[in-house]
Amino acid sequence: RKEVEQDPGPFNVPEGATVAFNCTYSNSASQSFFWYRQDCRKEPKLLMSVYSSGNEDGRFTAQLNRASQYISLLIRDSKLSDSATYLCVVNTDSGGSNYKLTFGKGTLLTVNP
Amino acid sequence: GAGVSQTPSNKVTEKGKYVELRCDPISGHTALYWYRQSLGQGPEFLIYFQGTGAADDSGLPNDRFFAVRPEGSVSTLKIQRTERGDSAMYLCASSPRGGSLSPGELFFGEGSRLTVL
Repeated sequence: RKEVEQDPGPFNVPEGATVAFNCTYSNSASQSFFWYRQDCRKEPKLLMSVYSSGNEDGRFTAQLNRASQYISLLIRDSKLSDSATYLCVVNTDSGGSNYKLTFGKGTLLTVNP
Repeated sequence: GAGVSQTPSNKVTEKGKYVELRCDPISGHTALYWYRQSLGQGPEFLIYFQGTGAADDSGLPNDRFFAVRPEGSVSTLKIQRTERGDSAMYLCASSPRGGSLSPGELFFGEGSRLTVL
């Protein structure tokens, strides 16, 4: 089983749609979780951290289920500018440091007019 | 510059040649990372520096790959006897420190795309 697995995609949705991405991780010792966004031919950038209680940032909501080792990202009222690849990221370092983030393969989202 | 700078942005080389990829991190960032991203995949960890020393090089695929950061700032990733399978985007990232001050946020450069013919 891969360390971080994501929905293969691609997702094609109309503007205004709600879309959800799922991710599972294999290492139960994983300490922290993130979603990164990567635009075509660009570098990845942190979108948001994922907390056990769930967290929201505008139209974006992230959820974590430690028991099921499952992470999700929900995008509401999707915009054309949300078109990108969304990368699920897990940090297994017990000290809580940044390094050695493990990335999923990413899920490509295309929002259509 | 304000962000992580990587050079060259594109490198085409022939199988068996030696390649160097350079990374200039954000000023003041003590932690520096190299990742490799193949088409359709997520970034894969290669090596992590804290200051001048390689704190973790467990992601380097074999001994043809080596990286240095002699003065704790600029880093060079060196690939000897390149193979076609080395073709990928090589991403460098930095963070203020390796600790939990800003956990999970790595600042990536735009990458160096290596093509081995």
